[in-house]
Amino acid sequence: EPEVTQTPSHQVTQMGQEVILRCVPISNHLYFYWYRQILGQKVEFLVSFYNNEISEKSEIFDDQFSVERPDGSNFTLKIRSTKLEDSAMYFCASRRQGAGNGYTFGSGTRLTVV
Amino acid sequence: GENVEQHPSTLSVQEGDSAVIKCTYSDSASNYFPWYKQELGKGPQLIIDIRSNVGEKKDQRIAVTLNKTAKHFSLHITETQPEDSAVYFCAAENTGNQFYFGTGTSLTVIP
Repeated sequence: EPEVTQTPSHQVTQMGQEVILRCVPISNHLYFYWYRQILGQKVEFLVSFYNNEISEKSEIFDDQFSVERPDGSNFTLKIRSTKLEDSAMYFCASRRQGAGNGYTFGSGTRLTVV
Repeated sequence: GENVEQHPSTLSVQEGDSAVIKCTYSDSASNYFPWYKQELGKGPQLIIDIRSNVGEKKDQRIAVTLNKTAKHFSLHITETQPEDSAVYFCAAENTGNQFYFGTGTSLTVIP
C-alpha cells in the first residue's frame, strides 16, 4: 500500500536554529498538509497546500514557518528560528481528492528543541 | 471555527467486549467525519469515515454512527482484540480544507 514517507524520524535542534522536515507524499496525491501534535495534546492543523500554493494556514503557521514542494515529489516544512515550544511531532499528510476524503499520514518527525 | 470534543480520554475493556468512543462537533457545516487509529510510534491511520448524508456505516467489527441534529458521532468496535489497543482520534471537516481533531481516546484491550 502506498505510504507517505517522512524524514528524519527524530530531529534535535538548538533553539534559534533552522530545521527542515521532509515528506514524500503519495505520488498521485494532489493535496498536502502539515499537522503537529504536542505531547498529550490534539493533532493541530498547520497548513494545506494545493496546486503549488498554500490554500489554508492556521494561526500557528506564522512567519517562522514555510512550506515548499521543490521538485514535484518532496514536500518540506521549514521552521526558520526554532523555539522551545516548537517541540512536537510533525505529521505530513496527503490525499488525492479534496474535501470529503481521508488523509494518508506519514509516521511523523519528532522535533525536539533544546 | 470548528470545535471537536472526544470522550472518554481513556478506555479499558476486556477482550471480546465492545468499545464506544463519542465525539461532538460545533459547526453544523461540517460534513465529513473520519476516525483515525494511532499506534505507538506511528502516524494516524484512517480506519473508517462517514459523510453527512449517511447515518451509519459499518466495516467488519468497526461501525460509526452520525447524528447530525445533535452534532455527534460515535465509533463502535465490537469483539475487541488486543491489537485494537491504540489511541483513536475523531475528526470533523467543514467547508474548509482542514480536519479538526478530537483529543484522542487511549483504548486498552485487556486479554
